[in-house]
Amino acid sequence: GESVGLHLPTLSVQEGDNSIINCAYSNSASDYFIWYKQESGKGPQFIIDIRSNMDKRQGQRVTVLLNKTVKHLSLQIAATQPGDSAVYFCAENIDNQGGKLIFGQGTELSVKP
Amino acid sequence: GAVVSQHPSWVICKSGTSVKIECRSLDFQATTMFWYRQFPKQSLMLMATSNEGSKATYEQGVEKDKFLINHASLTLSTLTVTSAHPEDSSFYICSAHAQGGVNYGYTFGSGTRLTVV
Repeated sequence: GESVGLHLPTLSVQEGDNSIINCAYSNSASDYFIWYKQESGKGPQFIIDIRSNMDKRQGQRVTVLLNKTVKHLSLQIAATQPGDSAVYFCAENIDNQGGKLIFGQGTELSVKP
Repeated sequence: GAVVSQHPSWVICKSGTSVKIECRSLDFQATTMFWYRQFPKQSLMLMATSNEGSKATYEQGVEKDKFLINHASLTLSTLTVTSAHPEDSSFYICSAHAQGGVNYGYTFGSGTRLTVV
């Protein structure tokens, strides 16, 4: 379900460390997931996606893990940089619901130089 | 590729007036467009789904007479906030979706900051 009304949890890391951002999704029928990065005053920016027939996918400095058993998604950012500071959202899609994308709660990542 | 242009980026209006926000897919045809609103420090909340040439589908709790959505072409959708009130002040974001495209899944506009005074 949607998380409107909840305030963002925060994660603070040191520059160069790895970051792990977690997300619990609600619908076991969801078959496509996306991680977005949102900077202040801007729209969400695509980072990486994964389909439900996979449990891991890697991009440049980012890895997404999917655990369908417990409906959990994580985003790992390697060698976190100050430019990674932003709010990160997971989003889920159920293909038979007209393609709509439902966003999770979000996590605010703060990278200390 | 896959660029969505949203205008205006910010707008201030008086209480009781109406405001129109445009969302355009610049280099692809969007079969579906979505409208979200976002309050400070919160997640994006889906308001409605619009398909070209048909009526929008609104999420539960969203007033369709207050938030008018028009999707007249495959590249343009508009959201009109009618009789705006201060509680409508929010960040409105559109997303365009093109089925079948590689990662054209969902492309977001840059958002519109609406302030009603």
